[in-house]
Amino acid sequence: SAVISQKPSRDICQRGTSLTIQCQVDSQVTMMFWYRQQPGQSLTLIATANQGSEATYESGFVIDKFPISRPNLTFSTLTVSNMSPEDSSIYLCSVTWQASGALHFGNGTRLTVT
Amino acid sequence: DAKTTQPPSMDCAEGRAANLPCNHSTISGNEYVYWYRQIHSQGPQYIIHGLKNNETNEMASLIITEDRKSSTLILPHATLRDTAVYYCIVSDFNKFYFGSGTKLNVKP
Repeated sequence: SAVISQKPSRDICQRGTSLTIQCQVDSQVTMMFWYRQQPGQSLTLIATANQGSEATYESGFVIDKFPISRPNLTFSTLTVSNMSPEDSSIYLCSVTWQASGALHFGNGTRLTVT
Repeated sequence: DAKTTQPPSMDCAEGRAANLPCNHSTISGNEYVYWYRQIHSQGPQYIIHGLKNNETNEMASLIITEDRKSSTLILPHATLRDTAVYYCIVSDFNKFYFGSGTKLNVKP
């Protein structure tokens, strides 16, 4: 199966700064999604990354806080802006290929905001 | 929003079958049932999915009721490494919303 690489795997950031997370897939995918998993919680869908257009955000998430890019069919970035300790979470990139329809995940980025 | 209901936790003896239930009474005709599991804080791992027929692969079996309002994931011979949170999701491929899942504890 294809490889989904996320960078960085973890980071510790200062309050008020921003972090950009990269997601690279080694083959073209149909859909790309970004999830957040807060400590001890389930996964929450942040947005669908749309190729060449603005991402589609879920309720409670806004572009100013979580800008997303997807310039092509294999790459996307998620930025966590103006971070606060409440943003400390695991951020996960996920993709689907039309053939299977199943969702596949990268290993995530563990973010700690101090 | 998640459209599934799962028990928060279950125990299973090692070597026995683990049967994990999921209710999805509002499932639409074009939505599939997917099962994933998450071990520690790794990315969720795809297990199996189906539309209306029962499915089996090398990891598990999926039993979907005839009215499609519920399903059961079966791990035929649970091992300690199957201890994880198991998520049941219904989706039409466009969005995947995770509920709270079932924490399966496999005990020696």
